[in-house]
Amino acid sequence: NAGVTQTPKFQVLKTGQSMTLQCAQDMNHEYMSWYRQDPGMGLRLIHYSVGAGITDQGEVPNGYNVSRSTTEDFPLRLLSAAPSQTSVYFCASSSTTGARNEQYFGPGTRLTVT
Amino acid sequence: GEDVEQSLFLSVREGDSSVINCTYTDSSSTYLYWYKQEPGAGLQLLTYIFSNMDMKQDQRLTVLLNKKDKHLSLRIADTQTGDSAIYFCADLYGQNFVFGPGTRLSVLP
Repeated sequence: NAGVTQTPKFQVLKTGQSMTLQCAQDMNHEYMSWYRQDPGMGLRLIHYSVGAGITDQGEVPNGYNVSRSTTEDFPLRLLSAAPSQTSVYFCASSSTTGARNEQYFGPGTRLTVT
Repeated sequence: GEDVEQSLFLSVREGDSSVINCTYTDSSSTYLYWYKQEPGAGLQLLTYIFSNMDMKQDQRLTVLLNKKDKHLSLRIADTQTGDSAIYFCADLYGQNFVFGPGTRLSVLP
């Protein structure tokens, strides 16, 4: 049981390039989400999904796209990278049943846009 | 929307108790959580409290909830150097979790 995995761990992009951050979970969780973490601002929700085929915007969705074609995978696409997207990105998943008492986080992707 | 606030830094001496405070704005919160983030890692759930409780104890951790003041605290007894980390308060708001900015706890020998 690998939990939540993210690739890559580190990435450097030039302004205007595009890329996809990968996220996968093997816990059959319905809910998956992407956050960005910036110093002094905590985690801000980018996009989330409550099940395959369903996605929605979070607090800071501009410049990012997501899709959820399977329960396991939830990739985050940067369409045209900007220096303001330099951040640490975390993917998380949780069950939507019961107490919803734990989100499982991946190890993060550190992205630098020059 | 929901707003969760925390102080950004706390320093304590090894062996002392640490108290990390959090305030939130959503009066209908059902669950409130404390997460821990060690350097270079993702967040891990430390503990959570249901809104109909005012205290929860789990080994060295004590969570206090004051619903009237919308105030949550995390007390770590006998703080150790391994407790140095960033601690996040979080609220389950609708379908999503709202996180505070995190409190960086430094434990001095």
